[in-house]
Amino acid sequence: EAQVTQNPRYLITVTGKKLTVTCSQNMNHEYMSWYRQDPGLGLRQIYYSMNVEVTDKGDVPEGYKVSRKEKRNFPLILESPSPNQTSLYFCASAPTGTGAYEQYFGPGTRLTVT
Amino acid sequence: QKEVEQDPGPLSVPEGAIVSLNCTYSNSAFQYFMWYRQYSRKGPELLMYTYSSGNKEDGRFTAQVDKSSKYISLFIRDSQPSDSATYLCAILETSYDKVIFGPGTSLSVIP
Repeated sequence: EAQVTQNPRYLITVTGKKLTVTCSQNMNHEYMSWYRQDPGLGLRQIYYSMNVEVTDKGDVPEGYKVSRKEKRNFPLILESPSPNQTSLYFCASAPTGTGAYEQYFGPGTRLTVT
Repeated sequence: QKEVEQDPGPLSVPEGAIVSLNCTYSNSAFQYFMWYRQYSRKGPELLMYTYSSGNKEDGRFTAQVDKSSKYISLFIRDSQPSDSATYLCAILETSYDKVIFGPGTSLSVIP
């Protein structure tokens, strides 16, 4: 089944404790992206990647890191999480960068930072 | 001014009604216009996308783009309770490969 998977689905952590949220897609997509979704603010793009070893900042990159060492994986790293990073996070992929209008989303990761 | 604006609702309609969902955008350089549907506790899923001004139809759904007014719409005919979800408009800025989402409109279709 073609899909985007994220792990973990739910995470509660404390301020400052480094964490990684994994994202994997099995569709051989070139484009991958991370979003956060907050009430009233909608989906905001954190980082995106056009292909392996190519990443770019989205609208809200502060406090996040990403890497794209393999085509299928695009982990999101929070080096020192803070309470304002409590949010619902989505990973998405698309066939190509110019085809990013056709994104497939993962199920989401709900992160709480206390 | 936000780049993409959307009335958050909530919008409640009886089953069988025609639903109109709307967004406005600010940057005339935007080229691709999308509508995503998001059920509670799920990731968004693509409903439709359009590249130019005009209408695009897919079953009960019609997407409409008016580039001169910077206005995009989604019409749902014969609405069903299964259409109850949040609808997100989105725009692809191809020069930067960035997708910008509206905040979403929550729709409830009452049986």
